[in-house]
Amino acid sequence: AQKITQTQPGMFVQEKEAVTLDCTYDTSDQSYGLFWYKQPSSGEMIFLIYQGSYDEQNATEGRYSLNFQKARKSANLVISASQLGDSAMYFCAMRPSGSARQLTFGSGTQLTVLP
Amino acid sequence: NAGVTQTPKFQVLKTGQSMTLQCAQDMNHEYMSWYRQDPGMGLRLIHYSVGAGITDQGEVPNGYNVSRSTTEDFPLRLLSAAPSQTSVYFCASSYSGSAGGGNEQFFGPGTRLTVL
Repeated sequence: AQKITQTQPGMFVQEKEAVTLDCTYDTSDQSYGLFWYKQPSSGEMIFLIYQGSYDEQNATEGRYSLNFQKARKSANLVISASQLGDSAMYFCAMRPSGSARQLTFGSGTQLTVLP
Repeated sequence: NAGVTQTPKFQVLKTGQSMTLQCAQDMNHEYMSWYRQDPGMGLRLIHYSVGAGITDQGEVPNGYNVSRSTTEDFPLRLLSAAPSQTSVYFCASSYSGSAGGGNEQFFGPGTRLTVL
């Protein structure tokens, strides 16, 4: 079974600063994918970034990067130059190998960007 | 493309009533799934499907039924609603291909269900 742990229920960051949201995972699979989703107060789930377990380079998408440390089983999300619109709930999720493609989610981190 | 659509957006039921949450996608995705989101928790998988005619249970399947007669549609049926099923329900779809493009799941806007 897979498990995702997000230990920060809430985080605050000053506008224009960088912030790291923590995510650790537990799996016995060798092949898996890690995802981050953003959920603003409006409720929709927005895909941010993906990291495959065999990808050698850390994933980046604009201001988002994923700090992937396979040996430590961590996949932290780094948001650079925070903006007020980044205030939202952030979920880390894992997809195991195989054809089922279901996601296991962490409990989320509520990020608040301060002006 | 409309992406993943869900109806209704809001629903109030009485205990014991049944209803169907609708989900449709127009991206020709093989994989579809239903999640529920409760306060303070992440999304939990209820049921999923890897193609028309194929469904399987997720983490919290009790009290829910699904069927997949077409690639586009994946309805979720509540057989006899209970207050514990008060939640926000998300439908999602994705390709079932291997790594590369199209790895992410696309989510619908959600259905907020209250069971009294």
